Amino acid sequence: AQSVAQPEDQVNVAEGNPLTVKCTYSVSGNPYLFWYVQYPNRGLQFLLKYITGDNLVKGSYGFEAEFNKSQTSFHLKKPSALVSDSALYFCAVRDDSWGKLQFGAGTQVVVTP
Amino acid sequence: GAVVSQHPSRVICKSGTSVKIECRSLDFQATTMFWYRQFPKQSLMLMATSNEGSKATYEQGVEKDKFLINHASLTLSTLTVTSAHPEDSSFYICSATRLAGGGTTGELFFGEGSRLTVL
Repeated sequence: AQSVAQPEDQVNVAEGNPLTVKCTYSVSGNPYLFWYVQYPNRGLQFLLKYITGDNLVKGSYGFEAEFNKSQTSFHLKKPSALVSDSALYFCAVRDDSWGKLQFGAGTQVVVTP
Repeated sequence: GAVVSQHPSRVICKSGTSVKIECRSLDFQATTMFWYRQFPKQSLMLMATSNEGSKATYEQGVEKDKFLINHASLTLSTLTVTSAHPEDSSFYICSATRLAGGGTTGELFFGEGSRLTVL
């Protein structure tokens, strides 16, 4: 069975400061890891993914995430947050290319001016 | 990037009526589409997996006779909420995987969601 945990319901950060959204996972095989962002009353937008290769993955809108196999983590980061980054962020995992995508509970990011 | 279109974005209906939601992949062929339901301030709950030309696979606890899914082509899947009741009010989101060289690229592409309100 696969699972994903986002330990923080909400992350508050001032504009211009670094932003980190935490995610840990559990899968039986090799993980396929994803981050998505959701704005109010909208669908999910893909930010980035880790399938294989370099542990540091760069994605859309200046976001990046680091795959850490020993800690089974895939934290999302942005060096300098913008107010427009305020949204709901979901981490997701599947244990193979065709498996079901398991979503975390989501983390609300609030960036204040 | 791959675009998934979902329609309608909002629908209000009376209790007992049926509502159809369409999900289209606009610029790619989607071998598999997924339907999710999202309650306010909660994560996405997978309802069913829809493969083109075959019956949908429903998750445990999801009534297949209430939530009818049809995946008639590689670009269109529909979800019909039959005999809707107020408890069916929710945000429904579809997603699709892209067919690329016989495999998938891994990520899902999501529609914009459909807000269903049953009075």
